Amino acid sequence: AQSVSQHNHHVILSEAASLELGCNYSYGGTVNLFWYVQYPGQHLQLLLKYFSGDPLVKGIKGFEAEFIKSKFSFNLRKPSVQWSDTAEYFCAVNHGVNAGNNRKLIWGLGTSLAVNP
Amino acid sequence: GAGVSQSPSNKVTEKGKDVELRCDPISGHTALYWYRQSLGQGLEFLIYFQGNSAPDKSGLPSDRFSAERTGGSVSTLTIQRTQQEDSAVYLCASSPSETQYFGPGTRLLVL
Repeated sequence: AQSVSQHNHHVILSEAASLELGCNYSYGGTVNLFWYVQYPGQHLQLLLKYFSGDPLVKGIKGFEAEFIKSKFSFNLRKPSVQWSDTAEYFCAVNHGVNAGNNRKLIWGLGTSLAVNP
Repeated sequence: GAGVSQSPSNKVTEKGKDVELRCDPISGHTALYWYRQSLGQGLEFLIYFQGNSAPDKSGLPSDRFSAERTGGSVSTLTIQRTQQEDSAVYLCASSPSETQYFGPGTRLLVL
C-alpha cells in the first residue's frame, strides 16, 4: 500500500536557521507530490507541488523542495526560517497521470515546526 | 475569490446522534474530496466525487458514514449513530484537476 513518511515530528529552530524536512513515499508508479502548510488557527494551504519536469520546485514564502526519484524523496527546504513559519507541515502524494481520475492524497503525519524569535 | 467553505465549524454531539457536515466547494471545481484528520493518525481519505460519476467511497470507515453531492456542487457528509472514535476534524477539498484546495474543516466532538 502507498504510504508517506515524514521523519521529523517536531522541529524547533531559531530564526535565520536553515530548514530541511524529510519526506519519503512508497509507490512505484508516477506520482504527484505536495507540501501543504497549516498555520495556527488556519486551514491547509498549498506550499508547493511537483508533477513533472525540473525536480527542484519553488513554492511560496521562499520554500523549495527537491524530488529525488531514486530515493523516493521530496524534502522541503528553506535557507532561513522566520518566526512566521511556525506551523504544521504535511507532505502528500497522489497518483500521477494514467491512474484514473481519483487524485486522493496519501498524507504523512506532519511535522510541527516552531521557530523561536 | 471565495474558497472552500464548510459548516458548522464546530459540532459537539452525544454518542448515538446523527450529524450532518456541509461543504461548499469552489465554483467550477469538478472534483470534491472528504478527508478526516484525527489525533495521532494524520489525514485519511474518506470519499471522492467527480462530476456525475459514481463516487469513490473506498475510504469510508463504516456504513454509518455516507455522503452525497447535489447538483455537482454542495456536498454533505452524514455520520449516523456517532461514536466517540468519530471525533476528528473533517476536511473538504475541491479541485479543478490536480491540486486540491481545502476548507477550514469541521471539528466534531462526540461525547
